Amino acid sequence: QAQIVQSGAEVKKPGASVKLSCRASGYTFTSHNIHWVRQAPGQSLEWIGWIHVDRDKTRYSQKFQGRVVITRDTYASAVYMELSGLTSEDTAVYFCARNALSGGFDYAHFDSWGQGTLVTVSS
Amino acid sequence: DIEMTQSPASLAVSLGERATINCKSSQSLLYKYDNKNYFGWYQQKPGQTPKVLIYWASTRASGVPDRFSGSGSGTDFTLTISSLQAEDVAIYYCQQYYSTPITFGQGTRLEVK
Repeated sequence: QAQIVQSGAEVKKPGASVKLSCRASGYTFTSHNIHWVRQAPGQSLEWIGWIHVDRDKTRYSQKFQGRVVITRDTYASAVYMELSGLTSEDTAVYFCARNALSGGFDYAHFDSWGQGTLVTVSS
Repeated sequence: DIEMTQSPASLAVSLGERATINCKSSQSLLYKYDNKNYFGWYQQKPGQTPKVLIYWASTRASGVPDRFSGSGSGTDFTLTISSLQAEDVAIYYCQQYYSTPITFGQGTRLEVK
């Protein structure tokens, strides 16, 4: 049974960066790609990007390009997302989620989610 | 970007009655090479993470009660709950994973009348 555990809540000042982690267990870590999604208070879900865990390839939403970096550590079975240049608009719960299809670069539904990390940006 | 438009924004249904939620995409989500619609439905209960209900437009996820069903193809999709239960109160989101950026609908809030 796949399980994903995310790091704890963060409070940041405008202009700062935040690095979140996402630790996977219960499956072969390199077999499934990982997405990052965020949800601002009372809003829908917004896709940030993903990482092909085995090949260490990433793709980002144009909205976040230049401001986000997603990395992985296969030894720790962890994926990280660093978002820089924070503003109040970045206040949200950030989720990582597993791509349901294993291997390849095909997108699929998200079959396992972390519990979410609340990032609050405030002066 | 593919835009996903859900309707209605909110819905109140009596227990035991049918609930229907619609989602329309700005372009076809049917991939001709595998004849699959790259589309799914998620349920998010208050304070919880989203949970996939339906994927490939009509495949029920493991453990999802059979009162939930998905239909549609191309650009128009429907989630139906055949007999609403109290535990179905949630926000429902549609999602396209046909191309990046992966996008979600704005959500439909389902309540008991």
